[in-house]
Amino acid sequence: ETGVTQSPTHLIKTRGQQVTLRCSSQSGHNTVSWYQQALGQGPQFIFQYYREEENGRGNFPPRFSGLQFPNYSSELNVNALELDDSALYLCASSQKTGPSYEQYFGPGTRLTVT
Amino acid sequence: AQSVTQLGSHVSVSEGALVLLRCNYSSSVPPYLFWYVQYPNQGLQLLLKYTSAATLVKGINGFEAEFKKSETSFHLTKPSAHMSDAAEYFCALWMDSSYKLIFGSGTRLLVRP
Repeated sequence: ETGVTQSPTHLIKTRGQQVTLRCSSQSGHNTVSWYQQALGQGPQFIFQYYREEENGRGNFPPRFSGLQFPNYSSELNVNALELDDSALYLCASSQKTGPSYEQYFGPGTRLTVT
Repeated sequence: AQSVTQLGSHVSVSEGALVLLRCNYSSSVPPYLFWYVQYPNQGLQLLLKYTSAATLVKGINGFEAEFKKSETSFHLTKPSAHMSDAAEYFCALWMDSSYKLIFGSGTRLLVRP
């Protein structure tokens, strides 16, 4: 069974640029959630994707957007990067038809905005 | 509103001593509660979960947690700390209405030799 994978591991961007982060869900999972973890804080929910549609969203501006593909992998896109976007971005997958609280996290992508 | 509070951003114990990490929650519906561990530069690993079955929940690596509705608490314990337990620990509450986890701010566990 393949776990959740994320790429890249680390990324450095300049303020104002755009970034795309990628996530492959665990085998058999059809739902992907994204979380932002700022330094010294707990993860904050960004949004969830199910059947290629956004299925819930946290308190993040529209410049945070996502996609889910037919193979259930997902992308997180952030436009007009700000310094405060520097964080660890975590992807979690789950199975919608099962207990969807059973979320399995990937290792994260560390984004640094300078 | 649903929320999670972790008391103590840092907890330091000696190797072999009892570990107690505190978590209190606020929820208007019966909660699903979780403890996750995060090692440096890694993602989150599920330690244990409470889903309205037994109030004493056993997890991996010798950890357990007790759900106390009257105290709205879900504290994490381990009888004897090991050096490898040094990590960040997060308590989380599942919000079924919006399909998301709400996390506490975390507690960093330090284990002294």
